[in-house]
Amino acid sequence: DVKVTQSSRYLVKRTGEKVFLECVQDMDHENMFWYRQDPGLGLRLIYFSYDVKMKEKGDIPEGYSVSREKKERFSLILESASTNQTSMYLCASSLPYRGSYNSPLHFGNGTRLTVT
Amino acid sequence: AQTVTQSQPEMSVQEAETVTLSCTYDTSESDYYLFWYKQPPSRQMILVIRQEAYKQQNATENRFSVNFQKAAKSFSLKISDSQLGDAAMYFCAYRRDFGNEKLTFGTGTRLTIIP
Repeated sequence: DVKVTQSSRYLVKRTGEKVFLECVQDMDHENMFWYRQDPGLGLRLIYFSYDVKMKEKGDIPEGYSVSREKKERFSLILESASTNQTSMYLCASSLPYRGSYNSPLHFGNGTRLTVT
Repeated sequence: AQTVTQSQPEMSVQEAETVTLSCTYDTSESDYYLFWYKQPPSRQMILVIRQEAYKQQNATENRFSVNFQKAAKSFSLKISDSQLGDAAMYFCAYRRDFGNEKLTFGTGTRLTIIP
């Protein structure tokens, strides 16, 4: 089974801190994604990556950056954490689209981040 | 831009009964995929079922089935013989059938199973 591991289940940070959320997958997936989940808003895509050192902005990239130095690891960075970034963060991975094959997303267990 | 709408924030059903969760979407594409994901209290998102838009036959996975109405842009999930383990948030999602396009999710429906 695919395993997507997020380094922290709960995290509490102070306003202005630089925050790193780490995600590792063990199935050699090319695609990796960071979503943010808020009540009433569902999941919104922050950033995604098709391959090492590649990144694409999602729907809500402001205030975030990402790093993908190795295929298995995709990091989400909050340069200067703010209270409105308090949320659940979900990492996911998948195989790339090839022809008619469609790989579903495999998710981690999420990191609940509180910024005070 | 594609949008996915789940108009039922919360639903409840008696154990062993059948429940239907609704989802509508907006797209100008003709080829795409639709998904239902389940998020139990453990927070692990799990794929429940998926549907290719070019297929007229509705997808079925054991007690889970969909009613896909392409013209109406509707994609509802039916859960038969509901079980306590079905209690979760359910998210409908859309993906274009092109390249490495991202999934667009709805806002979710929280399903409660009444014993």
